[in-house]
Amino acid sequence: RKEVEQDPGPFNVPEGATVAFNCTYSNSASQSFFWYRQDCRKEPKLLMSVYSSGNEDGRFTAQLNRASQYISLLIRDSKLSDSATYLCVAYSSASKIIFGSGTRLSIRP
Amino acid sequence: DADVTQTPRNRITKTGKRIMLECSQTKGHDRMYWYRQDPGLGLRLIYYSFDVKDINKGEISDGYSVSRQAQAKFSLSLESAIPNQTALYFCATRGTRGPGGTGELFFGEGSRLTVL
Repeated sequence: RKEVEQDPGPFNVPEGATVAFNCTYSNSASQSFFWYRQDCRKEPKLLMSVYSSGNEDGRFTAQLNRASQYISLLIRDSKLSDSATYLCVAYSSASKIIFGSGTRLSIRP
Repeated sequence: DADVTQTPRNRITKTGKRIMLECSQTKGHDRMYWYRQDPGLGLRLIYYSFDVKDINKGEISDGYSVSRQAQAKFSLSLESAIPNQTALYFCATRGTRGPGGTGELFFGEGSRLTVL
């Protein structure tokens, strides 16, 4: 079983829709969580951090549920430019940084 | 200019050849990482370094070696390349203070390696 698991998608949604992804992690020692965005053939870039109290940045909301060991990302009013792969990341230590395999999102006009 | 620079960006080589991928950074970060990305497998850690001369194996270090001769430079070598090392390789840095202290990884643009 992978330590960080994501639905690979693809999620294909119309512009303006709300879409949500979940990511589960198996290591209860994981301390910090992040969502990264990766455009096709590009490097990953930090999208946002994830906190138990929730974290909102514009149209994006991230949430952590430690009891169930999952994190979520909600995108409201999706734009064509949101099309990308979204990577869930769990940090257990400075060296143990585990990436999920990514969820591919495609926004259609 | 990019804060994390990888060279070469693309390389095609033959089985058995020695290949070096280079990474340099201008962010002043102590921590540097090498990852490989394969379709459906996400990013997997090859090696990481927390300081000059500090080298640590990641989850898939077999067949690879690294060198950290300066804080700003971290190179990855494939001593004898094989076809299943065909992948996209990323170098990343992470600081321990300031904005990077939040844990953000800063990636280079990637090096696409094809081993025939």
